[in-house]
Amino acid sequence: DAGVIQSPRHEVTEMGQEVTLRCKPISGHDYLFWYRQTMMRGLELLIYFNNNVPIDDSGMPEDRFSAKMPNASFSTLKIQPSEPRDSAVYFCASRASGGAEEQYFGPGTRLTVT
Amino acid sequence: GESVGLHLPTLSVQEGDNSIINCAYSNSASDYFIWYKQESGKGPQFIIDIRSNMDKRQGQRVTVLLNKTVKHLSLQIAATQPGDSAVYFCAENGGDSSYKLIFGSGTRLLVRP
Repeated sequence: DAGVIQSPRHEVTEMGQEVTLRCKPISGHDYLFWYRQTMMRGLELLIYFNNNVPIDDSGMPEDRFSAKMPNASFSTLKIQPSEPRDSAVYFCASRASGGAEEQYFGPGTRLTVT
Repeated sequence: GESVGLHLPTLSVQEGDNSIINCAYSNSASDYFIWYKQESGKGPQFIIDIRSNMDKRQGQRVTVLLNKTVKHLSLQIAATQPGDSAVYFCAENGGDSSYKLIFGSGTRLLVRP
């Protein structure tokens, strides 16, 4: 299995631009999580999905952030408009329901907003 | 005001020695705990987990100890190697059925050759 796939790996954009981060979970996993990691706040859960349905988006910072999961093999996290304080590493993780509870993380997208 | 970054505690050990990384968790209702390793530029990688009905679990060169009385978790790494240098995170599940994990702030392990 290829593991969780994220793209792009690095994104540099100017303040005010729209940014879209992409994630492909591990095949067969029905839970998908989006995290943000910064030196200031560590690893924070933004939102998670079960069977493509958003379950908890209480960690989404504000209305500029949105996430979708149109099918079981693809999810996006969009920031519009982006701000310098959004600069962070964004991780996607997935897991299967039942049994083992570990989440499998992707390599992350390093976002820099100038 | 000036922002202060998250200060990661650092553990420095000699190659070949044993390492012990500690973690205090917050929710007494948590019944599942997990350790992740994060190398520079990579995503967190699963190391070992433990459920609250156990107090010890062993893997390959790693052991996790759970003390529910004081809400303390530790990760022991035997014969630490340079490849073990990374940031280590503990996480708990909060004891609800949400499937979320709550991550600690992490400990940086440095292995001296």
